[in-house]
Amino acid sequence: DQQVKQNSPSLSVQEGRISILNCDYTNSMFDYFLWYKKYPAEGPTFLISISSIKDKNEDGRFTVFLNKSAKHLSLHIVPSQPGDSAVYFCAASETSGTYKYIFGTGTRLKVLA
Amino acid sequence: EPEVTQTPSHQVTQMGQEVILRCVPISNHLYFYWYRQILGQKVEFLVSFYNNEISEKSEIFDDQFSVERPDGSNFTLKIRSTKLEDSAMYFCASITDRGVGELFFGEGSRLTVL
Repeated sequence: DQQVKQNSPSLSVQEGRISILNCDYTNSMFDYFLWYKKYPAEGPTFLISISSIKDKNEDGRFTVFLNKSAKHLSLHIVPSQPGDSAVYFCAASETSGTYKYIFGTGTRLKVLA
Repeated sequence: EPEVTQTPSHQVTQMGQEVILRCVPISNHLYFYWYRQILGQKVEFLVSFYNNEISEKSEIFDDQFSVERPDGSNFTLKIRSTKLEDSAMYFCASITDRGVGELFFGEGSRLTVL
């Protein structure tokens, strides 16, 4: 049962352009969402989060958008840099219930110089 | 900056052997987790731990797995009799409060079962 899905396994973007990574979820009880970045052989590192009471959160070059009715969130990176090349995971949690964060399958972003 | 530390970084073991992976969570965190990632796949939840007991566990976390926090500092994952399919990166994570905020991950322990 895949509660958090990232349907694009990979994405290539030119340096300086916008990267858009998408994530869909099925559990309507999820109310807190995070994006993590992961390099090979390292642990995931936190990028940005959003609560379900918001529809947008911005931190520097990173913006996360949440569409609760569509159960969809996206991460925008503008402008994209070669150092952004990594695997990006979205994660979701139910703050009033389960103790676990559920991760998506990841999208490998490659930013071309 | 506080961080989650894990040891060993890589362990190779024979099938059927017991393995213990160790983690030192961030000191003021209350909730602890183990996740694993089989090569090229998603990061999968194994277990969460709070107040010296398991809060939640996944289907993967069967009787061969156990966790404990023996000394109030280390948080360990034990696999009693390893199988080939246990080969994966195992990540420890911790957080101050459940379900809210950033989950801090360690660098991971790579387990290779031969």
